[in-house]
Amino acid sequence: SQTIHQWPATLVQPVGSPLSLECTVEGTSNPNLYWYRQAAGRGLQLLFYSVGIGQISSEVPQNLSASRPQDRQFILSSKKLLLSDSGFYLCAWAPIGGPRTNEKLFFGSGTQLSVL
Amino acid sequence: AQSVTQPDIHITVSEGASLELRCNYSYGATPYLFWYVQSPGQGLQLLLKYFSGDTLVQGIKGFEAEFKRSQSSFNLRKPSVHWSDAAEYFCAVGASGNEKLTFGTGTRLTIIP
Repeated sequence: SQTIHQWPATLVQPVGSPLSLECTVEGTSNPNLYWYRQAAGRGLQLLFYSVGIGQISSEVPQNLSASRPQDRQFILSSKKLLLSDSGFYLCAWAPIGGPRTNEKLFFGSGTQLSVL
Repeated sequence: AQSVTQPDIHITVSEGASLELRCNYSYGATPYLFWYVQSPGQGLQLLLKYFSGDTLVQGIKGFEAEFKRSQSSFNLRKPSVHWSDAAEYFCAVGASGNEKLTFGTGTRLTIIP
């Protein structure tokens, strides 16, 4: 069976500090990988998605970046955090290929990031 | 571009009462539609999805949703809610061959005894 691991669960960082959130998927190969952010009082915003190693699509220009160094590893980073980066970050994966690419998204348990 | 609107930010219902959460979408072709539930501090869990065929979709936990093309809606319903249904509910729209899934802003459901 497939599992998705996301860590840490909570993180408190000062403004201007770097960020690295990691997400790994097990039990599947070549998945689509996603980073979403849920800010307080707002919906889920797609930040990045990846269809393969080294292939990153950015949806929203911002202070964050993403990388996919391995097939089942997706990393969200920032060199200098802003207050507005606070939020709940969710990693997700979906099976790749076929006519229904988004047939199902499997979400991680999320990381609550507070930038102070 | 696809978009989703959930007009109700917060809904409160009594335990045992019926529930309907509204979702309207915008997409040029036939969309793929989803409802997710998020418990406090947790990730999202898929409740149900619609791709084609029967417009009334059954999901987990006794939820169902009906796709109405003429109204561009995909409302979520449950005949009798339980206290454990208190959570945030997200509607989402996707499309074939499109890696992106667009979410609504969510509806927070509160259950009162």
